[in-house]
Amino acid sequence: QSALTQPRSVSGFPGQSVTISCTGTSNDVGGYNFVSWYQQHPGKAPKLMIYDVGQRPSGVPDRFSGSKSGNTASLTISGLQPEDEADFYCCSYADTYTYVFGTGTKVTVL
Amino acid sequence: EVQLVQSGGGLVQPGGSLRLSCVDSGFTFSSYAMNWVRQAPGKGLEWVSYISTTGTNIYYADSVKGRFTISRDNAKKSLYLQMNSLRAEDTAVYYCARDYDSNGPDFDYWGQGTLVTVSS
Repeated sequence: QSALTQPRSVSGFPGQSVTISCTGTSNDVGGYNFVSWYQQHPGKAPKLMIYDVGQRPSGVPDRFSGSKSGNTASLTISGLQPEDEADFYCCSYADTYTYVFGTGTKVTVL
Repeated sequence: EVQLVQSGGGLVQPGGSLRLSCVDSGFTFSSYAMNWVRQAPGKGLEWVSYISTTGTNIYYADSVKGRFTISRDNAKKSLYLQMNSLRAEDTAVYYCARDYDSNGPDFDYWGQGTLVTVSS
């Protein structure tokens, strides 16, 4: 149950696009279309942003999108906004009925 | 409005026990699988345990297997985590989280979190 690998930080100016990668193995990300993404502001509970690789819950802006290729999932934020500055975590279903989170990425809006 | 209210955290000595609770208000608790997720101070999220709607299917992370027990009481709309043989590395904020459709990690509602500190 090793954590999925994410970049420690990404940054962009308001209005730009940023992409966060989430790399696992064929036993988790690559083996199932069950990847979700969470946004967490300091001192707050995480918030679901994307589920099942690319599905967006109601209320989440459409500038958040998800995709997957092989063992790597990605979250793209288009048109970066100041309120997007937060930590982001991916999460995948893994073999033997477990879930595994990513290492987390800090998004900074310059 | 869906709301998960947690209780039961606190300071406990190594080797001790603690029971966390998570009570639902605002949704049909028995229709959803539930999970516990934790976050050590300054660290990332770690999935801890899953329980299906009826409690038939239960799964744990290797780091807590054999020490933690997840359970639920649908009549009381409550989720529990019994933590035994606690270690310093179990120190974390613990969150309960609703599993939207049980086909993957779709944690759409979270509790407010409760801090567990394991220290002598």
